[in-house]
Amino acid sequence: QVQLVESGGGVVQPGRSLRLSCAASGFLFTSYVIHWVRQAPGTGLEWVGVVSQDGIIQFYADSVKGRFTISRDNSRNTLYLQMNSLRAEDAAVYYCARGGLNIAATIEDYWGQGTPVTVSS
Amino acid sequence: IRMTQSPSSLSASVGDRVTITCRASQAIGNELGWYQQKPGKAPKLLIYATSSLSSGVPSRFSGSGSGTDFTLTISSLQPEDFATYYCLQDYNYPYTFGQGTKVEIK
Repeated sequence: QVQLVESGGGVVQPGRSLRLSCAASGFLFTSYVIHWVRQAPGTGLEWVGVVSQDGIIQFYADSVKGRFTISRDNSRNTLYLQMNSLRAEDAAVYYCARGGLNIAATIEDYWGQGTPVTVSS
Repeated sequence: IRMTQSPSSLSASVGDRVTITCRASQAIGNELGWYQQKPGKAPKLLIYATSSLSSGVPSRFSGSGSGTDFTLTISSLQPEDFATYYCLQDYNYPYTFGQGTKVEIK
């Protein structure tokens, strides 16, 4: 079955970097767009960004543009979220979620369990 | 595109009809989805493209609307429906969620 498993979360100091991973299985990874969505403690969902099937096209939320980069390794069925210059407001649970077969499609019903990121000195 | 959900929370009883609205700051066609989230869990897709039911979602859930105004309706609230609901516009990037509506037990 379709599985998405995030990893790499943890505690990081403000201004430092962290890289999250999302390992996919149970579907043809190269056919699907993948999204990152986050949720700060006690708050709602925030869309973070998306990457196309070939990794060439990315879009980002204004709040992370220029600091976060999404990439993917299709040979490893793995998605990455490189987070630089982290701020307190980036603290959240980060989810990867499967999009559709084209970049314009919605976020489907396949999500990981989330990985928590804490930004604190 | 800013998505404004209302109400932010509501109390209802089992069997009640519940309506949640989502307003977009500009027209988004029918490019709107609804997600349900329970505490500590990932969101679950309920409805996509305004009114299409995701696989396995009970028929008591329905969606309607177009342009800027959209509605999620639960025709007869069940105990397992107490959760937080979010709309998401996928009309263009950056995608944006509404702030959520928490449905609580009266």
